[in-house]
Amino acid sequence: SQQGEEDPQALSIQEGENATMNCSYKTSINNLQWYRQNSGRGLVHLILIRSNEREKHSGRLRVTLDTSKKSSSLLITASRAADTASYFCATGGFKTIFGAGTRLFVKA
Amino acid sequence: KAGVTQTPRYLIKTRGQQVTLSCSPISGHRSVSWYQQTPGQGLQFLFEYFSETQRNKGNFPGRFSGRQFSNSRSEMNVSTLELGDSALYLCASSQKADKETQYFGPGTRLLVL
Repeated sequence: SQQGEEDPQALSIQEGENATMNCSYKTSINNLQWYRQNSGRGLVHLILIRSNEREKHSGRLRVTLDTSKKSSSLLITASRAADTASYFCATGGFKTIFGAGTRLFVKA
Repeated sequence: KAGVTQTPRYLIKTRGQQVTLSCSPISGHRSVSWYQQTPGQGLQFLFEYFSETQRNKGNFPGRFSGRQFSNSRSEMNVSTLELGDSALYLCASSQKADKETQYFGPGTRLLVL
């Protein structure tokens, strides 16, 4: 079973709006990563947040981590049509476990 | 640097056959991991190799095997193919042993008929 579970499973928004995706996990972690996948292709690493960090920014991305609730969120601000993709959280180092993913559709 | 490459990109096999997939990591990366992605099960970890040694293995049957060569290139083999093996197989390489950041190849899409 997947350790990370994303919520929502699918999200449809208009260009310019913000998109928020949530991830919950089950065991303790050293870090949590977010990846993007475009239409059945390889994954692209977006951002990594360590267990001792609460928030991290990278361009239009903002990730938060709440280890007490075993949850993380990914915020994409001012979304663009090119952000249309599936987004996955992943935990674990040697045996990376991916969540089920959130499918984001940004309408132009 | 060139990215992670996987060959072939597409493959059609029939049940009972075997298949070998290849992955060339980014130059200098010693860790190579393999994942299977299906609509039903999502992304699942198959195994990981580091410096020619299998370091970790997921919950897959023994029909799934792999190896890594001295140049870090890796191959994955699936014997006695089943319909359920149809999937996108992704390879990822990492520079560090802790695999904090993995770089993925485009994947090999396998269809078993």
